[in-house]
Amino acid sequence: EPEVTQTPSHQVTQMGQEVILRCVPISNHLYFYWYRQILGQKVEFLVSFYNNEISEKSEIFDDQFSVERPDGSNFTLKIRSTKLEDSAMYFCASSRAYQPQHFGDGTRLSIL
Amino acid sequence: RKEVEQDPGPFNVPEGATVAFNCTYSNSASQSFFWYRQDCRKEPKLLMSVYSSGNEDGRFTAQLNRASQYISLLIRDSKLSDSATYLCVVSGDNDMRFGAGTRLTVKP
Repeated sequence: EPEVTQTPSHQVTQMGQEVILRCVPISNHLYFYWYRQILGQKVEFLVSFYNNEISEKSEIFDDQFSVERPDGSNFTLKIRSTKLEDSAMYFCASSRAYQPQHFGDGTRLSIL
Repeated sequence: RKEVEQDPGPFNVPEGATVAFNCTYSNSASQSFFWYRQDCRKEPKLLMSVYSSGNEDGRFTAQLNRASQYISLLIRDSKLSDSATYLCVVSGDNDMRFGAGTRLTVKP
């Protein structure tokens, strides 16, 4: 069964540095998403992406964040000038239109 | 009011028990509804979609009441492997909003 894959599985970064989290969505999916989950808290929507542009973003997704689909397979989340509170699990998901989303197994981001 | 609100839990039940989870949502324009399960430190995995007519998948039954903006999940004959956090998920055009989840522990 096709899967969403995310790399790296764990990223440790110094506060103030930039990080790029990578995702390879399922190949025939056209809708892509990023979520985050702070330890012990609920899954929070960050952004959705379709047709090479952001279709919706939450209040969490401020100027510190950006997304990109640099080629036909990768979907990336960039976090600039990381803060301690950015430490969380970041999940990528993809879907077809009006279908449930399939999640990758996440990148654990630790900001020191 | 929270966008998606679930029973706080935790639910601790013996094997074989029947357990029900409830969920309410605030956005009446929501279009799609799902139950996901999440194991500790793992990604959410789709358990089942929820349809207006109600739907069943083995031991799991989901129901939706659009008028009351209410979703439920019933698990019959619970197994040890059902232990997880169950997430109520409500979807609009371009996003999914998750409830905080209800923790279920099934004990021998």
